[in-house]
Amino acid sequence: DTAVSQTPKYLVTQMGNDKSIKCEQNLGHDTMYWYKQDSKKFLKIMFSYNNKELIINETVPNRFSPKSPDKAHLNLHINSLELGDSAVYFCASSRGGGAGANVLTFGAGSRLTVL
Amino acid sequence: TQLLEQSPQFLSIQEGENLTVYCNSSSVFSSLQWYRQEPGEGPVLLVTVVTGGEVKKLKRLTFQFGDARKDSSLHITAAQPGDTGLYLCAFSPGSARQLTFGSGTQLTVLP
Repeated sequence: DTAVSQTPKYLVTQMGNDKSIKCEQNLGHDTMYWYKQDSKKFLKIMFSYNNKELIINETVPNRFSPKSPDKAHLNLHINSLELGDSAVYFCASSRGGGAGANVLTFGAGSRLTVL
Repeated sequence: TQLLEQSPQFLSIQEGENLTVYCNSSSVFSSLQWYRQEPGEGPVLLVTVVTGGEVKKLKRLTFQFGDARKDSSLHITAAQPGDTGLYLCAFSPGSARQLTFGSGTQLTVLP
């Protein structure tokens, strides 16, 4: 069983479209994240949720809307896609507290290409 | 401005060679983590260093945390093609429940 699974792995779409990426973790973790990795491989935090509540919202356009229906799921919806949104998006999770609270388990990534 | 600067950015070596990559900052950290990311996959934790001067070994990988807890290094002995990947250092700023990553070192080990 994959610990953190995200779908789809590849997404190719036209500018202006709306798309979603789904993420699920079966580790029992309380905190989930979305990171964006650009073409230079730099990983930057976008959002963090703890027990379905948004706790980190970095400077991300409001075209990006995360949604956490329960603590095992964190989906990312992107409206009006732009060329600059092309990147690999990683979902991750971690324990809510105690030892290892900041140790992240990542999914395999979703490569988004906007044409 | 990157809080964590990693060097070199790219490194290509032959199998069997030794190498060291660096993670530097002007800030003091309570701990640092090292991750490896293989092509098409997400980063995977290798080690966490906590104490200034600490040295941790993971088979052929040796991690060191600087005495002042501002920098860290990763030394690989007798590199193998399976060591190929993007090596990332990361820290958790303050009480925020997130990780901030360095700029990464892309390592290629040629057979």
